[in-house]
Parts: sequence; structure tokens; C-alpha cells
Amino acid sequence: TQLLEQSPQFLSIQEGENLTVYCNSSSVFSSLQWYRQEPGEGPVLLVTVVTGGEVKKLKRLTFQFGDARKDSSLHITAAQPGDTGLYLCAVSYSMDSNYQLIWGAGTKLIIKP
Amino acid sequence: DAGVIQSPRHEVTEMGQEVTLRCKPISGHNSLFWYRQTMMRGLELLIYFNNNVPIDDSGMPEDRFSAKMPNASFSTLKIQPSEPRDSAVYFCASSTLAKNIQYFGAGTRLSVL
Repeated sequence: TQLLEQSPQFLSIQEGENLTVYCNSSSVFSSLQWYRQEPGEGPVLLVTVVTGGEVKKLKRLTFQFGDARKDSSLHITAAQPGDTGLYLCAVSYSMDSNYQLIWGAGTKLIIKP
Repeated sequence: DAGVIQSPRHEVTEMGQEVTLRCKPISGHNSLFWYRQTMMRGLELLIYFNNNVPIDDSGMPEDRFSAKMPNASFSTLKIQPSEPRDSAVYFCASSTLAKNIQYFGAGTRLSVL
């Protein structure tokens, strides 16, 4: 069982449409990160959300952290072909002051022109 | 500033051959992570280092895999002997200990025939 469940796994929509993808868990987190991975590249950080209920905007992307800090959503308005990629959520895990990230499986998003 | 640099970008080899993947982290970063990404299993952490010391290698699939970090600016991941099931994209990422934001290289696409 994945600690972070991302849905949907795959989404293909037309340019100009709106969409929302989700990252859910039964655990509470101090923060959550969203990364985007474009084809042939490594993941790149988009945003970190820290406070329950927090909303952050990055141009046409809106990120929300759930009130209970167990889940997060990413909403894209008027999607563009440049938004195509794999969207990954991740949370920090630490043991003995050593940090690593736990990753969701990702949502593969294709925006058709 | 240069990001994380991985080489080679592509590697095609035959089963049984030794493969060495290389990574140069961002200068000043003291954590380095090796990941493997496949369609079936997503992004898997293989091993990570803090200050050149291996912290957690529980993700290394088996004894055929080994990783070293001889100094703060260089790490290798070696597979010997390689098998077709090792075919995947291997990513290296680095971060500072203070901030758990990971910066990824462009990856090495490995094909074992």
C-alpha cells in the first residue's frame, strides 16, 4: 500500500480545459511538495505547502493543502500543452535527523493542442 | 549555476556487462540520492548519502548494485552484472540537509539487452 495515493493515474484532456489532480493519505504531514517531471527530464519542484488549508498559486496552477494536512490537490486552469508531464507529490520522512522524500506514483497528464 | 549532472544520458549494454552511472551533485549540497524510475514501479529510492556517508541502502535491489561517494562532488552507481530487468531511468538528486528540496539530474536511460 502506497503512503501517498495519487489520482487519477492518467489524464488526457484538450487545451483550454480545467483539471484537478489529488494526493491523498491517511497520515498527517508537516509539509507536502509537488514536483513536475517533463518527458526526458528529472522532477522539478513546483511548490511546498506547509499549513493546513493553505492555498498557493503559481500562474494557472493552484495548490491546496487539506485542513487536516493529510491530502493535497493541484488545480490547473485553462491547461496548455506545456503543462504536459508527470505530476508527483512527496512528503518528508526523517529518522535520526536524516531526511528523505516519500513519493506518490504520480499523475501522468497530457494536454492535447 | 550548474545543476545536478549525470552521465551518460543513455547507456545500452548487454546482459552480464558492468554498468557505471555517474553523478555530480550541486556544489554545497550535502545529501545525494539515487533513484530508479520505471513505468511499473514509479520512482524508487535506491540509496542516499549524507556528507558522503551512505545512510540508507535498503532500496538497493540486490548485491549486483553498489554505490559510492568518494567525495562531495562525485558519486557512482554500479551494476555488475547487469540484467534486462535493470532497464530503467536512473536519477541522481541532491539537496542540503537544512532544506529537504531535491534537485534532480536529467537521468540516465539504461537499456540492458
